[in-house]
Amino acid sequence: AQSVTQLDSQVPVFEEAPVELRCNYSSSVSVYLFWYVQYPNQGLQLLLKYLSGSTLVKGINGFEAEFNKSQTSFHLRKPSVHISDTAEYFCAVSYNNNDMRFGAGTRLTVKP
Amino acid sequence: DTAVSQTPKYLVTQMGNDKSIKCEQNLGHDTMYWYKQDSKKFLKIMFSYNNKELIINETVPNRFSPKSPDKAHLNLHINSLELGDSAVYFCASNRGNTGELFFGEGSRLTVL
Repeated sequence: AQSVTQLDSQVPVFEEAPVELRCNYSSSVSVYLFWYVQYPNQGLQLLLKYLSGSTLVKGINGFEAEFNKSQTSFHLRKPSVHISDTAEYFCAVSYNNNDMRFGAGTRLTVKP
Repeated sequence: DTAVSQTPKYLVTQMGNDKSIKCEQNLGHDTMYWYKQDSKKFLKIMFSYNNKELIINETVPNRFSPKSPDKAHLNLHINSLELGDSAVYFCASNRGNTGELFFGEGSRLTVL
């Protein structure tokens, strides 16, 4: 069975600092990997996804993530965060087209 | 045009009542989902339908019954509501070849 672990429930950072949100997964088969963002009182939006090919994936709003198969990780990074990046971030894994499982989420708080 | 729309957005009701949440997607996707997000933001898959056929049914009480009249609609009916049913319920649909989910804005259910 597949599972997703987000290692940090909360990450506070100052504006313009770099940030990394960590995600590890477990699966015995090939998977697709995703990061979603949820702003307050909204649904989830896709930030980026890894399906195949280059292990470095670039997404919206300056975020990127790197797929590391040997470490079964898919960490999300941004070199310089803004106040508007404050949100809940979810890592997700799908091993077929119909079943997506989410991590517990990481609350990113960007302080001025 | 909203891609995945849910109604109602807010629902406040008494314990023991029966309520429904409706979901419609205009993306032409074949697969639709219901997720439950609890107060700690944890997202748990409840059901998945592919072309009106139930394909995922997680351990959810029998009080929850999904219905898919056609592949563009997936409704959720809840009988005998309990306090623990209070949550935000998200509908989503799937772009089949990549696994990417498109989410509605959520329906916040409060059971008093």
